[in-house]
Amino acid sequence: EDKVVQSPLSLVVHEGDTVTLNCSYEVTNFRSLLWYKQEKKAPTFLFMLTSSGIEKKSGRLSSILDKKELFSILNITATQTGDSAVYLCAVTNTGNQFYFGTGTSLTVIP
Amino acid sequence: NAGVMQNPRHLVRRRGQEARLRCSPMKGHSHVYWYRQLPEEGLKFMVYLQKENIIDESGMPKERFSAEFPKEGPSILRIQQVVRGDSAAYFCASSERRNNEQFFGPGTRLTVL
Repeated sequence: EDKVVQSPLSLVVHEGDTVTLNCSYEVTNFRSLLWYKQEKKAPTFLFMLTSSGIEKKSGRLSSILDKKELFSILNITATQTGDSAVYLCAVTNTGNQFYFGTGTSLTVIP
Repeated sequence: NAGVMQNPRHLVRRRGQEARLRCSPMKGHSHVYWYRQLPEEGLKFMVYLQKENIIDESGMPKERFSAEFPKEGPSILRIQQVVRGDSAAYFCASSERRNNEQFFGPGTRLTVL
């Protein structure tokens, strides 16, 4: 059964901390892994990863994929209260089917 | 406990036809959200419904699109007179309460010929 598992389910940190969010998957015919940030309405796209070992970076956020061990991490450095959100991981296969994880709820307190 | 179910998984329509997408939320969930994912874009919010009520439809196109979540049965997203630009993946998510975590379904991929 194809599945995506995210951990931890929730996380509370202080401003300035660094956090690492995990996403592991078991999806046949893997195509890509996507990270989203969801605040109030629609998730906001963060990264799409298709190749192992290549870090994608955007400001304080970065992500990397390990296709051998079937997981990805999303790092956020120097966290701010505006980073508080649910972070979703989704994996697609070559049939363009999406498998979503349940998300990690991040709360950054001042 | 089955997750969020969507059907059909793939739907092909010709221009001008109607498309009906169904979403059965997780057991115990009374809040449903519809999203659209266009190629190479992120998910875009369309509508948020609670049983028998539309709570927020600010992301729905004003014409041809409608959604409902009846007391019994799945939520339906209806697209009338489809056009090629409607081709996308449509995702449904459900939650137990408002602002609770959302569980996503597998999506319906709509192709308009």
